[in-house]
Amino acid sequence: DTAVSQTPKYLVTQMGNDKSIKCEQNLGHDTMYWYKQDSKKFLKIMFSYNNKELIINETVPNRFSPKSPDKAHLNLHINSLELGDSAVYFCASSQDRDRGRLGSGYTFGSGTRLTVV
Amino acid sequence: SQQGEEDPQALSIQEGENATMNCSYKTSINNLQWYRQNSGRGLVHLILIRSNEREKHSGRLRVTLDTSKKSSSLLITASRAADTASYFCATDAQGYSTLTFGKGTMLLVSP
Repeated sequence: DTAVSQTPKYLVTQMGNDKSIKCEQNLGHDTMYWYKQDSKKFLKIMFSYNNKELIINETVPNRFSPKSPDKAHLNLHINSLELGDSAVYFCASSQDRDRGRLGSGYTFGSGTRLTVV
Repeated sequence: SQQGEEDPQALSIQEGENATMNCSYKTSINNLQWYRQNSGRGLVHLILIRSNEREKHSGRLRVTLDTSKKSSSLLITASRAADTASYFCATDAQGYSTLTFGKGTMLLVSP
């Protein structure tokens, strides 16, 4: 049973389109995250939600809008896609906002490779 | 930025050899974690070392932390082809509410 699952795994789309990536975790964790990994493998935090509430919103263009309908799901919607949005997007979760940092770490999904053409 | 820096960027060794990767960071931390990423997969948590610890072991992994030098090392002993992956350090830095990851070291272990 996959702990953190993301769909789709691959997404190829044209500039200007709107797309969504879905994430679900079945670990009972309270906190979920979106990270962006660029072509140089640098992982950058985008958003963090704790129990459906947004707690971190890094300097991400407002074309990116996360939505958490419940604490097990954190979806990412991207409007007006640009070439620079091409990257691998990872969803992750942690037991809570503190224990992820202080103890058990984060559990990552397998990533969604987004290619904007 | 707190971003960790791993070195080397890439490391190629033979099976059975030891692999050492280093991580440096900039600000004070509460702990430091190491993760492995297999190609096309998400990151997997390997080990955590707290700021008051100097060394930690888990199986074939040995992690050291030198807070005075703001650096950590990950040693994988008796490496196997299955250890081929990218390895990332992540810091829980004071004043930051999420983990901050470095750029990773790509390890290739040849049979």
